[in-house]
Amino acid sequence: SAVISQKPSRDICQRGTSLTIQCQVDSQVTMMFWYRQQPGQSLTLIATANQGSEATYESGFVIDKFPISRPNLTFSTLTVSNMSPEDSSIYLCSVVRGAGDTQYFGPGTRLTVL
Amino acid sequence: GENVEQHPSTLSVQEGDSAVIKCTYSDSASNYFPWYKQELGKGPQLIIDIRSNVGEKKDQRIAVTLNKTAKHFSLHITETQPEDSAVYFCAASTDYKLSFGAGTTVTVRA
Repeated sequence: SAVISQKPSRDICQRGTSLTIQCQVDSQVTMMFWYRQQPGQSLTLIATANQGSEATYESGFVIDKFPISRPNLTFSTLTVSNMSPEDSSIYLCSVVRGAGDTQYFGPGTRLTVL
Repeated sequence: GENVEQHPSTLSVQEGDSAVIKCTYSDSASNYFPWYKQELGKGPQLIIDIRSNVGEKKDQRIAVTLNKTAKHFSLHITETQPEDSAVYFCAASTDYKLSFGAGTTVTVRA
């Protein structure tokens, strides 16, 4: 498995501001992902965080709204920009370690936008 | 893209009984099917997974079956306990990207 931490664990933000969420893993991983879970809903993949290069975004998600960085093999950040109440969600990072496809999730960041 | 349907959306069982959750997927290229348990206020926890070259896998009280031809897979929990109460998600993976079902809220009545 993998020990994954996210900061902050929760936050309440004002409309129009931005929040950067950090994801830290206890050891090197091959792949890192960011997901969104809207209230009472399932998980939706936002993007794949690529080490040293631009993230790969899924349909419906754009870099200007959700800029992502991954400077090394254990750390990534997701920024939620110019927030609106519709961005209120749980944001989760996940990782794949080694050559397998088993994916582990962090505890999530619970974001409320007023 | 991949579409995963999950049923039922809610499931209430008596402690000690079995629980079954079923999922279907649309993309025949999907080759990995994990199941996650999410408790309130926590991230999803992997409980069991199955790969496309395997038909069935069991881990203590939990088992998963996969029918590639019909594109469906199921989670079976036997001898349910109150701590099994949670939301369960199935997922299908293509090139490491997970597509999730809508989730099943399982309540185990004592």
